[in-house]
Amino acid sequence: EAGVAQSPRYKIIEKRQSVAFWCNPISGHATLYWYQQILGQGPKLLIQFQNNGVVDDSQLPKDRFSAERLKGVDSTLKIQPAKLEDSAVYLCASSPPGGNTEAFFGQGTRLTVV
Amino acid sequence: QKEVEQNSGPLSVPEGAIASLNCTYSDRGSQSFFWYRQYSGKSPELIMFIYSNGDKEDGRFTAQLNKASQYVSLLIRDSQPSDSATYLCAGRRSGGYNKLIFGAGTRLAVHP
Repeated sequence: EAGVAQSPRYKIIEKRQSVAFWCNPISGHATLYWYQQILGQGPKLLIQFQNNGVVDDSQLPKDRFSAERLKGVDSTLKIQPAKLEDSAVYLCASSPPGGNTEAFFGQGTRLTVV
Repeated sequence: QKEVEQNSGPLSVPEGAIASLNCTYSDRGSQSFFWYRQYSGKSPELIMFIYSNGDKEDGRFTAQLNKASQYVSLLIRDSQPSDSATYLCAGRRSGGYNKLIFGAGTRLAVHP
């Protein structure tokens, strides 16, 4: 079974530029999460999708971050404009149907904003 | 108050000893708990999950849940240097597709 795919693996941008991350969840997984993990901290949930609907985006800085999950499969997370404090690893995860199940993580995208 | 709290460590134990990792949570509605291991530069990977009060054992790992005290723990028996990693505790409310909230993680160092 293929895992959660993310791209790119690494990205370096200047502040005020824009960037986009892509995620393809495990086939059949209805729930998709985007987490931000700053060095030395635990993953912070940015947004959670159930199919193509948003379950929770309370921690998403909506003035600069946006995310979509078209057709309930893959997802894109965008930052525009980026700030220095956005430097982090962005983790995508997915869960199988059933609701109360574990999340499987992709390899993450390491973003450096200079 | 953070929803899921962990001591950041580092927790240092000698090889062969028992490592005890602890987690507390503030949301009494949380029903299921997950322990993930994260090696430096890698993504989190699931070790165990626990839903019911009491102990759950899987090989060298034992998860313990006390809902009255809002406390979750992970015991690692016969610790090995390869167990050196950050251990993340995560909790979720029951029912539906509720969000999975992580603690800050505890760094474990097992020395030979």
